[in-house]
Amino acid sequence: DIQMTQSPPVLSASVGDRVTLSCKASQNINKNLDWYQQKHGEAPKLLIYYTNNLQTGIPSRFSGSGSGTDYTLTISSLQPEDVATYYCYQYNSGPSFGGGTKLELK
Amino acid sequence: EVQLVESGGGLVQPGRSLKLSCAASGFTFSNYYMAWVRQAPKKGLEWVATISTSGSRTYYPDSVKGRFTISRDNAKSSLYLQMNSLKSEDTATYYCARHADYSSSLDYWGQGVMVTVSS
Repeated sequence: DIQMTQSPPVLSASVGDRVTLSCKASQNINKNLDWYQQKHGEAPKLLIYYTNNLQTGIPSRFSGSGSGTDYTLTISSLQPEDVATYYCYQYNSGPSFGGGTKLELK
Repeated sequence: EVQLVESGGGLVQPGRSLKLSCAASGFTFSNYYMAWVRQAPKKGLEWVATISTSGSRTYYPDSVKGRFTISRDNAKSSLYLQMNSLKSEDTATYYCARHADYSSSLDYWGQGVMVTVSS
């Protein structure tokens, strides 16, 4: 099974900050990775698919990058509505989610 | 507009069974792989099952294999999850989700239904 480790578990940042969330796989996942946003009390929402492709309707301040075992979600200028928990998800082999990064406002 | 609406959740005793349903609308249901994903209270997401367009192929993680069965009725645009031999650790919100047509990404999700396994 592929294990996905997200860091940090909790991140506090200010409005306007550039924010970087990390996800590390236990083995090469060949860029088969998505990022999902889950706001409190809501269902998850697809933000980024196949490492760096922005889902329709998602603001361009969100971007993804990475390869091999290391992947990153970047928010270029944090907005109040971005407060949420973010999950990475690999589908290279036996799909699995990371543990999440909770993003808070400082 | 794509809509996925789950139903069938509730309180069930350990060892008993429960069947969840998901009614899909706003897209051609028979053209898409579908999935169930769960989230235990205050925990992360866990993929539970995936089914192919025809229903001929199903996939599960070890945690539910042999106990859960995913199925679909394309004529009714409905997805199901039969859960047997339920355990307390199956307590979670269960989400129905659509796999994107371009990858295994989950591009639309329902609002979720709560299942509580407790005596």
